[in-house]
Amino acid sequence: SQQGEEDPQALSIQEGENATMNCSYKTSINNLQWYRQNSGRGLVHLILIRSNEREKHSGRLRVTLDTSKKSSSLLITASRAADTASYFCATDAPPGSNDYKLSFGAGTTVTVRA
Amino acid sequence: DGGITQSPKYLFRKEGQNVTLSCEQNLNHDAMYWYRQDPGQGLRLIYYSQIVNDFQKGDIAEGYSVSREKKESFPLTVTSAQKNPTAFYLCASSLDGGTHNEQFFGPGTRLTVL
Repeated sequence: SQQGEEDPQALSIQEGENATMNCSYKTSINNLQWYRQNSGRGLVHLILIRSNEREKHSGRLRVTLDTSKKSSSLLITASRAADTASYFCATDAPPGSNDYKLSFGAGTTVTVRA
Repeated sequence: DGGITQSPKYLFRKEGQNVTLSCEQNLNHDAMYWYRQDPGQGLRLIYYSQIVNDFQKGDIAEGYSVSREKKESFPLTVTSAQKNPTAFYLCASSLDGGTHNEQFFGPGTRLTVL
């Protein structure tokens, strides 16, 4: 079952601008991960944030997690043409579950215009 | 080079035929996964394996079969029972089945039924 839902579905920005996308989920989680997918390729892991963390940074990426609202955001700062891709959040099962699967949302497609 | 490979990149199948998609990893990972991705959608889990000689059904296992006889290999067979097999298939692996681990993805196989 797909738990994470990204918003917006698509985003178009100018090079140098920031891009923000959100992920909402339904049940409590242990971890939330963000992945990037270039067109026609496999996914690449970007960042993992644990349920006891509120914010995490990796280079130009900033991820926040609000467990009370069951939502996460991914911010890409100073975007580049190479950031053009689809971005997916992936959530795991509730704590205490024996389910070791990740559930992926439908993704946000980001287009960075030169 | 360490990584996860899938073959073939493109596969065409006539209706009623079974086809097998290859997935190999040399990352020494215990866990492996098969996902299906349809246009504009997220990933849906077909099967996963947390250890050699063991595998579990995912969310959409009907019409598919797998084997895990070797740690490095996790082939997926799309059988004639799968009513709508045209899709992009992604294989992934992780260190173990825990959801705190990132998943490493192969480049994908695009299957088209003629």
